[in-house]
Amino acid sequence: QEQVVESGGGPVKPGGSLRLSCSVSGFRFRDYYISWFRQAPGKGLEWISYISSGGNTIAYAESVRGRFAISRDNAQNSVHLQMSSLRVEDTAVYYCARYRGSFYEYYGIDVWGQGTTVTVSS
Amino acid sequence: DIVLTQSPLSLPVTPGEPAAISCRSSQSLLYSNGLNFLDWYVKKPGQSPQLLIYLASYRASGVPDRFSGSGSGTDFTLKISRVEAEDVGVYYCMEALHTPPITLGQGTRLEIK
Repeated sequence: QEQVVESGGGPVKPGGSLRLSCSVSGFRFRDYYISWFRQAPGKGLEWISYISSGGNTIAYAESVRGRFAISRDNAQNSVHLQMSSLRVEDTAVYYCARYRGSFYEYYGIDVWGQGTTVTVSS
Repeated sequence: DIVLTQSPLSLPVTPGEPAAISCRSSQSLLYSNGLNFLDWYVKKPGQSPQLLIYLASYRASGVPDRFSGSGSGTDFTLKISRVEAEDVGVYYCMEALHTPPITLGQGTRLEIK
């Protein structure tokens, strides 16, 4: 079964750090881009970061650039999101998801995790 | 940055009736290979987001055929031919050119009358 599973969420104080992980199974991990999305309470879905299949292309949303860092370990079939300088407004459910990054082989973001909750509060 | 504008933002529908959601892009999503890079997703309460339609009109695996997508360039539509109670949720269009930032529409909340 193709799946991605997030972990690492929890409560943290403003200014603190947290490391989220996305573990994948059931498919050839090195063929896929991984994106992180989040949904804050009462808000819409927001894309925050992606990493290419080889790890050489990375992008961030303006709202997290300079504070979050994405990385991947193809040997361990995992992606990590290191979150620093956390703010109250980073409180959200964080989802990782996979997709093919090619314009000639794209089938949508077709596998999503169940999400992990990050709560930033003093 | 690409801006996606959805309408309506709220969509009350009687079961068995059709529904349509519009998504307008500030830039063309038609790539040089002739494909339109626009996806549709639904976020149901308590569930992860789910892919419905990719490349504007291709139904994802397992998605009922009452869902269809159409459009090209900057104007796209998601249609549900006969709404069912299980379709309640928030529907998002998302540009799939993946030129950062990846943008989504504001979301359309479908509710049952």
